[in-house]
Amino acid sequence: DQQVKQNSPSLSVQEGRISILNCDYTNSMFDYFLWYKKYPAEGPTFLISISSIKDKNEDGRFTVFLNKSAKHLSLHIVPSQPGDSAVYFCAASEGAGNMLTFGGGTRLMVKP
Amino acid sequence: DAGVTQSPTHLIKTRGQQVTLRCSPISGHKSVSWYQQVLGQGPQFIFQYYEKEERGRGNFPDRFSARQFPNYSSELNVNALLLGDSALYLCASSRDGPKTQYFGPGTRLLVL
Repeated sequence: DQQVKQNSPSLSVQEGRISILNCDYTNSMFDYFLWYKKYPAEGPTFLISISSIKDKNEDGRFTVFLNKSAKHLSLHIVPSQPGDSAVYFCAASEGAGNMLTFGGGTRLMVKP
Repeated sequence: DAGVTQSPTHLIKTRGQQVTLRCSPISGHKSVSWYQQVLGQGPQFIFQYYEKEERGRGNFPDRFSARQFPNYSSELNVNALLLGDSALYLCASSRDGPKTQYFGPGTRLLVL
């Protein structure tokens, strides 16, 4: 039973436009959510997180939105750059710092 | 500051053998977690250790074991290797308390 799902395996976006990556979860006990970016042959790199007491968190070009009633979160990247091309994972935990449950990932391709 | 380091980077073993993977956390981080990432999937939680005590265990067989040392480094051991154990093994560290987990580059294990 997948508790965290990323339903789009891939996404292609033009450079300069907005990239929107989506993630759904089923476990209502999750209260801390993160996005990681992964390049081939490297470990996941932390991008941005959000606690369930917030519905939005911004860090530069990256914004994460959380809709608790829909059990849905999204990552917005504006503007998208070719260097953003990677696999993006959303992850969730019951309490920050505890075991992470990951989605299956979305491969983002940003075309110049 | 140095990030999370893992050794070895690559490893080839045959079925039935045993393997030990090593992880050094970021300086000041007391919690270490291990994840397994099979090709095409998101990382799956194996173990979490904090102050040398096991704090969480994922849905993995008893062939998998781990420990944390006084300097907060950690080892993951896998006995009686199966072909299905071939994966990228990721180590993540975090400070005590509700903090983000930061990942190392991983050890790629191939079981033949």
